[in-house]
Amino acid sequence: KQEVTQIPAALSVPEGENLVLNCSFTDSAIYNLQWFRQDPGKGLTSLLLIQSSQREQTSGRLNASLDKSSGRSTLYIAASQPGDSATYLCAVSGTYKYIFGTGTRLKVLA
Amino acid sequence: GAGVSQSPSNKVTEKGKDVELRCDPISGHTALYWYRQRLGQGLEFLIYFQGNSAPDKSGLPSDRFSAERTGESVSTLTIQRTQQEDSAVYLCASSLDPEPNYGYTFGSGTRLTVV
Repeated sequence: KQEVTQIPAALSVPEGENLVLNCSFTDSAIYNLQWFRQDPGKGLTSLLLIQSSQREQTSGRLNASLDKSSGRSTLYIAASQPGDSATYLCAVSGTYKYIFGTGTRLKVLA
Repeated sequence: GAGVSQSPSNKVTEKGKDVELRCDPISGHTALYWYRQRLGQGLEFLIYFQGNSAPDKSGLPSDRFSAERTGESVSTLTIQRTQQEDSAVYLCASSLDPEPNYGYTFGSGTRLTVV
């Protein structure tokens, strides 16, 4: 059974810092991995999708890497801003459905 | 439509009543998923639709929960005889195909409160 763990559970940083969020999963037989952002009381917004054949994806200040063999992904946020404050979720897919981690709650202080 | 639409956005109901939650996926998306997120918890998978059929209902917590999808479009999640533990945000997502190589697009969710 696939299990997804995210560390740390919560993180508070000053504005401008570069930071790394971690995601680990127990079964390396995945199709892809997707990082989402969730603002309080809102749904999930897709940030980056990494196919199993890829090693990383970039969008603006975000970079996500995937190492299937070790069951790990990292989300790198450069030059963090207060607007980045949210919960970040990673999800890994088997044949058709995603299994989600419990998220990292990020607060960027102005 | 342009995105996944869920209604209502908020629902307060009395214990024991039935509720219906609606999801309108992105046009052309054949796969549709329901998840539940309790306060402070992660997302729990409920059910997956491919077209009008539901190959995986393994996440439905009890027989009080049911879902249907008509016309490869709108889906309805019904909770009968609601209990306080049903209070959660119910999220719907759709994907272009069943193997989520295109990833999920989520709706904004329905916040259900059972009092």
